[in-house]
Amino acid sequence: SQTIHQWPATLVQPVGSPLSLECTVEGTSNPNLYWYRQAAGRGLQLLFYSVGIGQISSEVPQNLSASRPQDRQFILSSKKLLLSDSGFYLCAWSGRQGEELFFGSGTQLSVL
Amino acid sequence: AQKVTQAQTEISVVEKEDVTLDCVYETRDTTYYLFWYKQPPSGELVFLIRRNSFDEQNEISGRYSWNFQKSTSSFNFTITASQVVDSAVYFCALSEGSGSRLTFGEGTQLTVNP
Repeated sequence: SQTIHQWPATLVQPVGSPLSLECTVEGTSNPNLYWYRQAAGRGLQLLFYSVGIGQISSEVPQNLSASRPQDRQFILSSKKLLLSDSGFYLCAWSGRQGEELFFGSGTQLSVL
Repeated sequence: AQKVTQAQTEISVVEKEDVTLDCVYETRDTTYYLFWYKQPPSGELVFLIRRNSFDEQNEISGRYSWNFQKSTSSFNFTITASQVVDSAVYFCALSEGSGSRLTFGEGTQLTVNP
């Protein structure tokens, strides 16, 4: 069966420090991969999605970037964190388009 | 552009009451998919149901039921005989057939009191 791993679960970082969140999927090939952010415990905002290795679509201009170095690995990065980057970050995968997304357990990021 | 509206920000009910969570969507595509997710306090999003735009049959799964009406662009979710464990944030989402992105509503916080 397919599983998605996301780490770390919690992260506290100072303003201006770099960020790297990693997400890996097991049990499937060529998944669509997504990074969402949830601020203030409510709406989910799509940050990036990828339909293949090296293919990244950015939904909103921001201080973050994403990379997909391997088929089942998706990385969210920042060179210098801002206070506004605080939030709950969720990685997700799906099969073909139109199918449901399956989410990781999330990373609570606090930028201080 | 696609949009999902969940007008109910918070709902509070007493255990065993029935509760309906509303979802209204906007899309220009004739092929699209609708979803409901549950987010318990632990934070992880749990998939509940997926519906495509060509299937308007209502669905029932235990205490959960969904009412899809294309005429009113709505996909409402009803929990029958609610339980405390149903307390969570519930999200409605839309994916257009031409793309891979899910657009989520703002969510409805459901609190079921004993």
